[in-house]
Amino acid sequence: QVQLVESGGGVVQPGGSLRLSCAASGFTFSSYGMHWVRQAPGKGLEWVAFIRYDGSNKYYADSVKGRFTISRDNSKNTLYLQMNSLRAEDTAVYYCAKDRPDLAGSISLDYWGQGTLVTVSS
Amino acid sequence: SSELTQDPAVSVALGQTVRITCQGDSLRSYYASWYQQKPGQAPVLVIYGKNNRPSGIPDRFSGSSSGNTASLTITGAQAEDEADYYCNSRDSSGNHLNVVFGGGTKLTVL
Repeated sequence: QVQLVESGGGVVQPGGSLRLSCAASGFTFSSYGMHWVRQAPGKGLEWVAFIRYDGSNKYYADSVKGRFTISRDNSKNTLYLQMNSLRAEDTAVYYCAKDRPDLAGSISLDYWGQGTLVTVSS
Repeated sequence: SSELTQDPAVSVALGQTVRITCQGDSLRSYYASWYQQKPGQAPVLVIYGKNNRPSGIPDRFSGSSSGNTASLTITGAQAEDEADYYCNSRDSSGNHLNVVFGGGTKLTVL
């Protein structure tokens, strides 16, 4: 069965950095695009970033562009999110999610991890 | 436009039918997907594409679309359907991928 397990969350000061990891199993990780999605406390879902199956293309939400970097290591079945210049408004639960390919281009995320909490506070 | 609009809250009597809607320009070009999220849990995909349910999702969940509006319908709502529901799609402008989520609808089953 598909499993996605995030790690690396914690408390960090404003301006600091953190790297999140997402260990994938139960599917051919190297064949699928992957997303990061976050959810601030008591708020809705916000898409953060997407990386294609082979890492050839990466896309970011405007709110994190230039500060966050998505990457993957297909030999380790692991997705990463490097977060720099963190702000209080980045405080959220961060989920990794598997992309379900669609030839027509529609987007759906068919498996999600349980999330890891990032708190940006002094 | 990259926004998706949902009603913040909807209620339904046990066993009745409820429709949750999602509006946005991108829905004229792409199908919405729908996610159910219960408190303290990760979202779960319930509808994708024209009207497809992942394995394990009850057939009381269905999806439809018309113009700039996508709908999630629960026919015969159960107590366990009480949750937040989010739609998502992609921005239809340009080649740059921008994924958007609606603000979510809190469903109360009375």
